[in-house]
Amino acid sequence: DAKTTQPTSMDCAEGRAANLPCNHSTISGNEYVYWYRQIHSQGPQYIIHGLKNNETNEMASLIITEDRKSSTLILPHATLRDTAVYYCIVRAALLSGGSYIPTFGRGTSLIVHP
Amino acid sequence: DTAVSQTPKYLVTQMGNDKSIKCEQNLGHDTMYWYKQDSKKFLKIMFSYNNKELIINETVPNRFSPKSPDKAHLNLHINSLELGDSAVYFCASSQYPRGGELFFGEGSRLTVL
Repeated sequence: DAKTTQPTSMDCAEGRAANLPCNHSTISGNEYVYWYRQIHSQGPQYIIHGLKNNETNEMASLIITEDRKSSTLILPHATLRDTAVYYCIVRAALLSGGSYIPTFGRGTSLIVHP
Repeated sequence: DTAVSQTPKYLVTQMGNDKSIKCEQNLGHDTMYWYKQDSKKFLKIMFSYNNKELIINETVPNRFSPKSPDKAHLNLHINSLELGDSAVYFCASSQYPRGGELFFGEGSRLTVL
């Protein structure tokens, strides 16, 4: 899977939007962008994914640039419980091509403060 | 019902012992994985099975042997435990081997003394 790069850490005030960037400049046409988060001592949790259009669900929004080389995860109203490590990974389309290996980088440690 | 469940949650053992960690998923997924997360929090894939067949083996010492009795279970057996094996081991599953969301278990913290 394509390599991703993310800032090591970020912080955000409670109630404000948290915008977490991810670069995936080598992404190929059949690869989706997935976001996960890992709250301390828990297993990683799926948040959202997208191919090229912006996506929104009850947890977050995902903005993917037109060239698909980067994306931003938006938590619109961050709470203290959103403090976690956020991982951006790229993964092949469901049944076609690509690597079997879902590779996680170091992620971004987001701290939401009061 | 927990989608991906691992047992035990905590495991403390002596160097040289043999131990197993079990994983079960009730999502009907075809693919299961084992990841290791060390003290530096790096999440590294170890193995993946698709429909009981090994598809990923990432340069893991052969002291680690995964076993998949059916596609809902992927167990991890570790022989001759070493201090460096201390980590949190996460099991995960996905519907397809190349794509789809990963669903993780809560982790099994192994401490080797």
